[in-house]
Amino acid sequence: EIVLTQSPATLSLSPGETATLSCRASQYIGNYLAWYQQKPGQAPRLLIYDVSNRATGIPARFSGSGSETDFTLTISSLEPEDSAVYFCQQRSDWRTFGQGTKVEMK
Amino acid sequence: QVQLQESGPGLVKPSETLSLTCTVSGESISPHYWSWLRQSPGKGLEWIGYVYGSGSTDYKSSLKSRVTISLDTSKNQFSLKLTSVTAADTAIYYCAKDYMVRGLNRGFDPWGQGTLVTVSS
Repeated sequence: EIVLTQSPATLSLSPGETATLSCRASQYIGNYLAWYQQKPGQAPRLLIYDVSNRATGIPARFSGSGSETDFTLTISSLEPEDSAVYFCQQRSDWRTFGQGTKVEMK
Repeated sequence: QVQLQESGPGLVKPSETLSLTCTVSGESISPHYWSWLRQSPGKGLEWIGYVYGSGSTDYKSSLKSRVTISLDTSKNQFSLKLTSVTAADTAIYYCAKDYMVRGLNRGFDPWGQGTLVTVSS
């Protein structure tokens, strides 16, 4: 099973700053990586698929990059509503998820 | 706008069968892929399996011997059955639509709100 390791566990930032979240795969997954946002008490919402493609209705301040085993989700100009846990997910071999990075506002 | 809603017992006894239903509104389930996932503090987010509108299925290998996902097109619903449950199966269970782009699954969206299932005697 492909293991996805996310870092850091928690990011504490101020509105307007840029958040950089990392996801590392235990083996090569090509571009088969997605990102989700989960707010407290809610289900996850798809943000990014295939590394860098925004899902329908996702603001441009969310962007993804990376390849092979190392991937990044960047949230520019943080807004208070971006406080959430962010998960990465691979579809190269079945589907597995990372353990999440919590983004909180100072 | 498609919406999903899980329903079923919130408490299941060890060794019994967990049964959940997902009701889809806003579109027909027939031409799409639909998945079940779960989330627990110990295991995080975990994909369980999917069913396609034709009735074909695929499951996570470690759960395959205990899982059945089926659909009822007349009710626009799909269901999950998980047999021989233990405390390790305690989780929030979500149903979701496979997010398809050019015929391939790219993720899961949207999701239902989730339902907590506790396995306990």
